[in-house]
Amino acid sequence: EAGVAQSPRYKIIEKRQSVAFWCNPISGHATLYWYQQILGQGPKLLIQFQNNGVVDDSQLPKDRFSAERLKGVDSTLKIQPAKLEDSAVYLCASSPIGRESNQPQHFGDGTRLSIL
Amino acid sequence: KQEVTQIPAALSVPEGENLVLNCSFTDSAIYNLQWFRQDPGKGLTSLLLIQSSQREQTSGRLNASLDKSSGRSTLYIAASQPGDSATYLCAVRDNYGQNFVFGPGTRLSVLP
Repeated sequence: EAGVAQSPRYKIIEKRQSVAFWCNPISGHATLYWYQQILGQGPKLLIQFQNNGVVDDSQLPKDRFSAERLKGVDSTLKIQPAKLEDSAVYLCASSPIGRESNQPQHFGDGTRLSIL
Repeated sequence: KQEVTQIPAALSVPEGENLVLNCSFTDSAIYNLQWFRQDPGKGLTSLLLIQSSQREQTSGRLNASLDKSSGRSTLYIAASQPGDSATYLCAVRDNYGQNFVFGPGTRLSVLP
């Protein structure tokens, strides 16, 4: 089966600019996650969707970050405006269903964002 | 709030050694615990998932154990190979939320 697809792989922008990331989960996976991974740390959950509804966005900095998952498939994560501390790898993951599932999350290769 | 730590932060061993990576978590009310591998510039690959009712899981040369009451898990790698070089992360899913809380990872280097 095809894995989780993310684009772009790399992005360099200046602070205060805007940026968007795209994720296509594994076909049939109802749950989609966006994580932020700062160098040397483990991933931190930003937002979790189940189908096209938000399950958890408690750690999403809503003044600058937004995410949507239209039609319960692809998702986009946007940062506007970007700050220096947003430099990180943004990982997308998907799983068949939510907390009841014993299936592991499947991760994409991430988008590496550098803020100048 | 759940916190996950991993010791050591980095480990370098010669090929063929058996090794143990440690993961600790502060809240024992977990739903499951998962070990991941991350290669440079890549996403995470799931290695083993242990349910809260289980004590251990095995896959090939990997064995993960879980002691929920003490808030600890270990990942045992037998007969290490250079291809095992990567960062290993553990993550716990607790009973209060639906997401994983990750540790910072252990960077493993297996020298030929």
